[in-house]
Amino acid sequence: EDKVVQSPLSLVVHEGDTVTLNCSYEVTNFRSLLWYKQEKKAPTFLFMLTSSGIEKKSGRLSSILDKKELFSILNITATQTGDSAVYLCAVEAGWNYGGSQGNLIFGKGTKLSVKP
Amino acid sequence: DGGITQSPKYLFRKEGQNVTLSCEQNLNHDAMYWYRQDPGQGLRLIYYSQIVNDFQKGDIAEGYSVSREKKESFPLTVTSAQKNPTAFYLCASRDDDLGGNTIYFGEGSWLTVV
Repeated sequence: EDKVVQSPLSLVVHEGDTVTLNCSYEVTNFRSLLWYKQEKKAPTFLFMLTSSGIEKKSGRLSSILDKKELFSILNITATQTGDSAVYLCAVEAGWNYGGSQGNLIFGKGTKLSVKP
Repeated sequence: DGGITQSPKYLFRKEGQNVTLSCEQNLNHDAMYWYRQDPGQGLRLIYYSQIVNDFQKGDIAEGYSVSREKKESFPLTVTSAQKNPTAFYLCASRDDDLGGNTIYFGEGSWLTVV
C-alpha cells in the first residue's frame, strides 16, 4: 500500500530557529514529491522535487529529495511567526487507470508553531 | 481571474440527509479531484476525474458520489451512507500538461453533521 509519512507531527519553535521537516514515502511508480503550506484553508504550493540531490530554494525555505532512501526534507531557516502552518508532503505516483498523470498521496502533515 | 470556487464554505446537515458540495473551475483543467481532511490527517482522495463524463473512486469513496457532466464542474454528494461526514472538503484541479505543481485548490467546504 502506498504511503507517505511525515515527522514530526507537530513542532514548536521560537522565531529565528531553523527547522527541518521530514517526509518518507513508499509508493509504486514514483513520479514526484511535493511540499505544500496550509495556513487556514487551501494548501499553497511550495516545491516539486523529481531528482535526487538537487536542492530547491525559495527564500528561507529549501528542500531536497533522496530517491534512494525514499525521503525528503523541508528546511526553514530564521523562522518567523508567519511560517506557522501545517506543512504537507505529497507524492505523485503513477495511475493504475492508465492515464499519463499520477495520483497525489498526502502525508498527515507537520504542524509548525513559531513563537515570538 | 481564473480559479476554483467551492460552495458553500460552511454547511450543517442533519443525520440522514444528503448534501451536495459544489466545485467550479474556469481554468480549463481536465483533471479534478475531491479530498477530505480530518484533524490530524492528511488529505485523502475521495474521487477524481480526468475527463468529462468519467470519474474514478479514490481511497475513501464509500458514502460519496460525484458527477462530471461539464468540464468546469465536479460536484460531490455526501450521502446518508457516509458514516462520519463531518470534515473539511477540498476540491482541486490540475493542468495535465504541466504536472503536479500546477494543482490548484479551492478554499474548501466545512461540513458539520448535527
